[in-house]
Amino acid sequence: AQRVTQPEKLLSVFKGAPVELKCNYSYSGSPELFWYVQYSRQRLQLLLRHISRESIKGFTADLNKGETSFHLKKPFAQDEDSAMYYCALNSGGYQKVTFGTGTKLQVIP
Amino acid sequence: DTGVSQDPRHKITKRGQNVTFRCDPISEHNRLYWYRQTLGQGPEFLTYFQNEAQLEKSRLLSDRFSAERPKGSFSTLEIQRTEQGDSAMYLCASRGPKGRGDYGYTFGSGTRLTVV
Repeated sequence: AQRVTQPEKLLSVFKGAPVELKCNYSYSGSPELFWYVQYSRQRLQLLLRHISRESIKGFTADLNKGETSFHLKKPFAQDEDSAMYYCALNSGGYQKVTFGTGTKLQVIP
Repeated sequence: DTGVSQDPRHKITKRGQNVTFRCDPISEHNRLYWYRQTLGQGPEFLTYFQNEAQLEKSRLLSDRFSAERPKGSFSTLEIQRTEQGDSAMYLCASRGPKGRGDYGYTFGSGTRLTVV
């Protein structure tokens, strides 16, 4: 069965410091991974997908199949990055998405 | 089209009552998903529709839960004989067809259910 693990419930970083939100997954097939973000009082929204290999709002994530990881990184944290971040795994023929428990990123001014 | 809409935003009900939630997806999205989220947890999958067909249901979806998508457009999720454990945020998401233009889920704002 597929599983997504986000080991940190809360990550506090100072403004301008690097950010790394950890995500590990287990899935026997070929994974498709996402990061979703939820800002305060807003709906859950897609941040980025590994297939796109893009950088959104300065965030990047690289799929490491050997380590089964998909960590989210940003070189310099900004105030507006404070939010809840969910790692998610697309699986199965119906492309059901399995979410991790989320990590709250708190950027300290 | 303003995205995925869910109604109501909040619902408080007494234990034992029935409740129904509605989701209006993005019009060109043929895939629709219901999720439930409790405090401190990520969204948990409940059920999936492709057009009007319900193709997958989670074991989380007990017999008291039923979902429909009668014309392949909006969807409803009904909970009968609500229990306090049903208190959660119920999220709807829609997604376009596989292939180009598939950008993952678009979520609604959710319906927060409180069972007292």
